[in-house]
Formats: sequence, C-alpha cells, structure tokens
Amino acid sequence: TQLLEQSPQFLSIQEGENLTVYCNSSSVFSSLQWYRQEPGEGPVLLVTVVTGGEVKKLKRLTFQFGDARKDSSLHITAAQPGDTGLYLCAGRPAYSGAGSYQLTFGKGTKLSVIP
Amino acid sequence: EAGVTQFPSHSVIEKGQTVTLRCDPISGHDNLYWYRRVMGKEIKFLLHFVKESKQDESGMPNNRFLAERTGGTYSTLKVQPAELEDSGVYFCASNGGYDNEQFFGPGTRLTVL
Repeated sequence: TQLLEQSPQFLSIQEGENLTVYCNSSSVFSSLQWYRQEPGEGPVLLVTVVTGGEVKKLKRLTFQFGDARKDSSLHITAAQPGDTGLYLCAGRPAYSGAGSYQLTFGKGTKLSVIP
Repeated sequence: EAGVTQFPSHSVIEKGQTVTLRCDPISGHDNLYWYRRVMGKEIKFLLHFVKESKQDESGMPNNRFLAERTGGTYSTLKVQPAELEDSGVYFCASNGGYDNEQFFGPGTRLTVL
C-alpha cells in the first residue's frame, strides 16, 4: 500500500509570509500532482510533476519533485488571502497494469492566510 | 463544457437504509473513478471504470458497495445497507485518457446516523 505523508496538516500565516508544504513517501511515484480544494467543491489540479528533480512554477507557487520521485514540496512566496484553501498532493504509482491509474492522496494542508 | 456533476450534494440516512449516489462525467470521458474521504483521513480510491467495464475495484470496502456504469455514461454507487462508517464525502472523477488529468466533481456528502 502506497502512503503519502503530507505536512503540516494546518497552517495559519500572515499575508506576505512564505510557506512550504511537504509530501513524503517511501514509495516511488510515476508522477506527483498538487490540487487545491475549496469548500463544497472537488479538488482542482494545480500542477503535475513527472521527472525526478523537476521544478515547476505557477506565479508565486513553486513545486518540486524529489530526485528519487518519493517526495514533493509546494512553496508559496508572499502568501495572499486568496491562497487560503486546502492543498492536496496525490501520486500515481510507478508500476504499470491494474491499479496504476488510481491516485494516492495525502491528508491535505489547510492553509489560512490572514490579511 | 460542463464539468463532472454529482447528485445529491448531501444525503442523510439512517443505518441500514440504502443510498444511491450518481455521477455524470464530462461528456466523452471513457474513464470514471470513484473516491471517498472519511473524516480525518485522506481521499481514497474506490474503483475505476473504463466505459462500462470495471477496470479496478481494489478500493471497494466490502460487498455492501455496488457501482455500475450501464452504457458507459453516468455511474451510480449504491450502498446497501449503509453503516455508520460509510459516512464521508464521495468524489467522482473522469478523464479521457489514463494519463490525463482527472477532473473531480464537487462530491456527495453522505451522513449515516
């Protein structure tokens, strides 16, 4: 069974501060996805990282995939109140065949950015 | 283009009753997935349809859960009889190709009393 440990679970910061969310596993993933979920809605994909060591930027958000493809991080620079929400990481198994299309999710990080 | 829709948005039932959840995927998406989030836990995979066929049902908790996708369009997930531990948010997702982004619906919040 693949597990993704996501931390921290809760994060409350002041507007303008930086933050990093981590997802760690002992398993290798073929890709790692980051989602954002708003109350009453389903997760919405932010980015997918595929290659070990890959770094992707989305405005003030920087996503990194670990060299061994077992971990990932999300860094937000100068957080704004609009960044408030639930951030989820999810991984696709590295093996092929049955079960390889299901996503394994972390528990999520609930971020609150205080004005 | 309409997104993934789910019905109902909320359902409150008593233990032992039956509930049927419905998911309408994005038109043309052959792949349909069901996931569930129990309070305090992570979102977990339940099963995966390719058109009307069950590709992977390794995440289904037990035989009280029955998923169907007749005609390869919408899908239903029936829980019979419901137990307290079935409470949670049930998400449906779809995509056109296995490696493509999975688009999630808003979920159905099920409460079993």
